[in-house]
Amino acid sequence: AQSVTQPDIHITVSEGASLELRCNYSYGATPYLFWYVQSPGQGLQLLLKYFSGDTLVQGIKGFEAEFKRSQSSFNLRKPSVHWSDAAEYFCAVGAGGSYIPTFGRGTSLIVHP
Amino acid sequence: DTGVSQNPRHKITKRGQNVTFRCDPISEHNRLYWYRQTLGQGPEFLTYFQNEAQLEKSRLLSDRFSAERPKGSFSTLEIQRTEQGDSAMYLCASSPTLSGRRSGEQYFGPGTRLTVT
Repeated sequence: AQSVTQPDIHITVSEGASLELRCNYSYGATPYLFWYVQSPGQGLQLLLKYFSGDTLVQGIKGFEAEFKRSQSSFNLRKPSVHWSDAAEYFCAVGAGGSYIPTFGRGTSLIVHP
Repeated sequence: DTGVSQNPRHKITKRGQNVTFRCDPISEHNRLYWYRQTLGQGPEFLTYFQNEAQLEKSRLLSDRFSAERPKGSFSTLEIQRTEQGDSAMYLCASSPTLSGRRSGEQYFGPGTRLTVT
């Protein structure tokens, strides 16, 4: 069975600073990887996904993520954080024909002005 | 594309009562998923449908839980004899037919927050 670890429960950055959220996965074959964002009281919104091909994936809102098979990682990055990026971020790994993702516990991003 | 909608948004019930939640997926999506999310955790898969067929159920889905999608459109999730441990956010998501680059892309609703007192 697949699993996801997001080692940071909270991350605090200043507005304008760069951001990297960590995600490590466990799965025996090539995984499908996702990053979702959840704002308070809202459902989850897909930021980006990796299925195959280019290991650097571009997403919405200026986010990108890099799949590193050797490190079993799929870290999310943004070069300059905006106050509106404050939210909960979830990494997920999916496998098999149903594509049902297993989510990590999330990282809460706090942005200081 | 009007998005995934869920009703009600909030539900407070007393222990032992039954509750039912509704999810309306994006109209052209044939897959529908239910998740449960507790505070400080990511969503946990409960069950999913392809059209009206319920194809997979998690072991989290006890006998008190039942889900239906009778006409392959909206879905309902019912919890019988609610317990305090059922308090959580219940999320619904839908996805289009699995093909090409959109495979696995799920669109989530805002969720139904259940509080069992």
